[in-house]
Amino acid sequence: GAVVSQHPSWVICKSGTSVKIECRSLDFQATTMFWYRQFPKQSLMLMATSNEGSKATYEQGVEKDKFLINHASLTLSTLTVTSAHPEDSSFYICSVPPGLAESSYEQYFGPGTRLTVT
Amino acid sequence: GENVEQHPSTLSVQEGDSAVIKCTYSDSASNYFPWYKQELGKGPQLIIDIRSNVGEKKDQRIAVTLNKTAKHFSLHITETQPEDSAVYFCAASSGPRDDKIIFGKGTRLHILP
Repeated sequence: GAVVSQHPSWVICKSGTSVKIECRSLDFQATTMFWYRQFPKQSLMLMATSNEGSKATYEQGVEKDKFLINHASLTLSTLTVTSAHPEDSSFYICSVPPGLAESSYEQYFGPGTRLTVT
Repeated sequence: GENVEQHPSTLSVQEGDSAVIKCTYSDSASNYFPWYKQELGKGPQLIIDIRSNVGEKKDQRIAVTLNKTAKHFSLHITETQPEDSAVYFCAASSGPRDDKIIFGKGTRLHILP
C-alpha cells in the first residue's frame, strides 16, 4: 500500500490566489521531508527540505516567501504556493525518508500534485 | 553541490532486447544511487538502488553497476517488455536517509513491438 500520500492530487487555481498541498507519511514518523517540483518533460528539482520543529531549508533560487513550508507534525508537511502565477503550474512531489534506522537510505515518494494556475 | 548527468535522453529498443542507461555524478561523497521509473502523471517509483560499497546489484531483469573510481553508474534492463516503457531517472545522494537526492534529467524509454 501507499507509504506517502499527497492531497490534493490535482488543483486548479486562479492567478493571485494561494493553494496548499499536503504530504502525509502513512507508515512512519519523519522529522525530515523533501519537496520537489517537476515541469513537463523535465526532471525533479529539489525545492526545499522540510524540518519538523524548525524552519525549512530552501534550495538556491527558490523563494521562501512564495513557497511556504510547514512541518506541522511528524507525519505531515504542507507546501503553500502563495500569490500563484501561471509559471508556478507544475507537478509537486514530496518524499519521505523512512523511520529511524540509520541503515535506511531509500526515500519514499508521494504520488504528486498537479497544480494548474489560470 | 552534486551534479548528475544522464544519457541518453531518449532510447528506443525492440521488445525483448536490452536497454542500458548511463549516469555520471560529480560529488565523490555520494554513496547511494537509486534508479526510479516514472509513469505519466505519477510520482517516481524506486526500481533498484545501489550503495557505494557494492559494484553490482541485480533484481530479476534489472541490474545496476557502479564504478566509483570513474563516478559512473548504469542501469541495465534485459528482455524488455512493453510495460517497461516509461521515463527512468538516475539519482545520487550522500545518504543516509535524511540527505537530499539529486536527480539526472531522465531517459524516456520506448519499447517497440
